[in-house]
Amino acid sequence: GENVEQHPSTLSVQEGDSAVIKCTYSDSASNYFPWYKQELGKRPQLIIDIRSNVGEKKDQRIAVTLNKTAKHFSLHITETQPEDSAVYFCAASIMEYGNKLVFGAGTILRVKS
Amino acid sequence: KAGVTQTPRYLIKTRGQQVTLSCSPISGHRSVSWYQQTPGQGLQFLFEYFSETQRNKGNFPGRFSGRQFSNSRSEMNVSTLELGDSALYLCASSLYDNEKLFFGSGTQLSVL
Repeated sequence: GENVEQHPSTLSVQEGDSAVIKCTYSDSASNYFPWYKQELGKRPQLIIDIRSNVGEKKDQRIAVTLNKTAKHFSLHITETQPEDSAVYFCAASIMEYGNKLVFGAGTILRVKS
Repeated sequence: KAGVTQTPRYLIKTRGQQVTLSCSPISGHRSVSWYQQTPGQGLQFLFEYFSETQRNKGNFPGRFSGRQFSNSRSEMNVSTLELGDSALYLCASSLYDNEKLFFGSGTQLSVL
């Protein structure tokens, strides 16, 4: 979406390495930032989310960081595994759409074993 | 609880036709959102319904419309189909605003 930019569009890493995906948003009123994982042929599923009153959140091998001043947030995956290969989407709540989620264009993550 | 159910799973239409897609949200979820997914464009927000009312709408032409019934089931209609409407249409429900979205498996629409 034009309100949320996501980089990179594709990312290849070696198994065991870390992967970082970054998103920027334009609406300073955004307060909810989820990340979704979509495996090939499957529906998007939430993997982690963060709200604007928190700077970092971690869940096992995945973590999300938020910089409200710079209006960007990032997904970090450590010790990547082949099953992490998927398309990852970031999203931000956008006031223009009544605080609904606007998604980034997605990042194709390939973990090579 | 059953997940979000979308029907049909696949649709093939020709230009100029119209199509109706259906979405049944998770029981108890009153908010239903629709997204269009195309390669390289991510998920584009179409509209959102809550308690039978359209609350928000994305930047899509008027050919895209929807409605929600009293049981929270939602339908999306696309009239005068164009080749560019070929996409995966995803429906998602949530319990509250600004909360986790649960997606359906989508309807893959091909316009020939």
